[in-house]
Amino acid sequence: GAVVSQHPSRVICKSGTSVKIECRSLDFQATTMFWYRQFPKQSLMLMATSNEGSKATYEQGVEKDKFLINHASLTLSTLTVTSAHPEDSSFYICSARGAGRADTQYFGPGTRLTVL
Amino acid sequence: AQTVTQSQPEMSVQEAETVTLSCTYDTSENNYYLFWYKQPPSRQMILVIRQEAYKQQNATENRFSVNFQKAAKSFSLKISDSQLGDTAMYFCAFMMGGGSNYKLTFGKGTLLTVNP
Repeated sequence: GAVVSQHPSRVICKSGTSVKIECRSLDFQATTMFWYRQFPKQSLMLMATSNEGSKATYEQGVEKDKFLINHASLTLSTLTVTSAHPEDSSFYICSARGAGRADTQYFGPGTRLTVL
Repeated sequence: AQTVTQSQPEMSVQEAETVTLSCTYDTSENNYYLFWYKQPPSRQMILVIRQEAYKQQNATENRFSVNFQKAAKSFSLKISDSQLGDTAMYFCAFMMGGGSNYKLTFGKGTLLTVNP
């Protein structure tokens, strides 16, 4: 149980385009979802927290207009990187927490974004 | 604010031997959870073990066990009978309890290499 999927696993795009990453909880209802960014050989950096049906709460320094987060249902959250630039290239990881196990987060496999 | 410190950036161990990874944290809260996550080369974050702060008994999961010293704010992970598949980055994490929006605070990680 407690499986989180992410799609796509890898994406390459041109500078200036937008990219959407999906995160799904497959076998539980995710009341809260989290989006992280990870640079090589570093820890995870929390970008934002979202609750189903509510606006996301962004961490300090994260541009909300650049990283659009939508948590439309209890099983789906999306992260859209708008007008992507090479510096947005990174590994993005989503995580979900369910109502039945509010004290544990489960992670998706991550998405490698490369902006040319 | 809570902080999590992992003082060992890298460690290595011989296959079948035992290794202990260190983690200390700082908090003024009394209700919280501690976690160890593993991130192998695939980069999928995997929950290894969790500990509720109110429990005095140390958590164990097969070959993985923790030494939770609440007064010292220490939470080390012991891996017994190390296997090649244990090679990964290990992150210690802290989360306050009692709320749905509480988020994980990660340490910087310890890269563990298991040698044949």
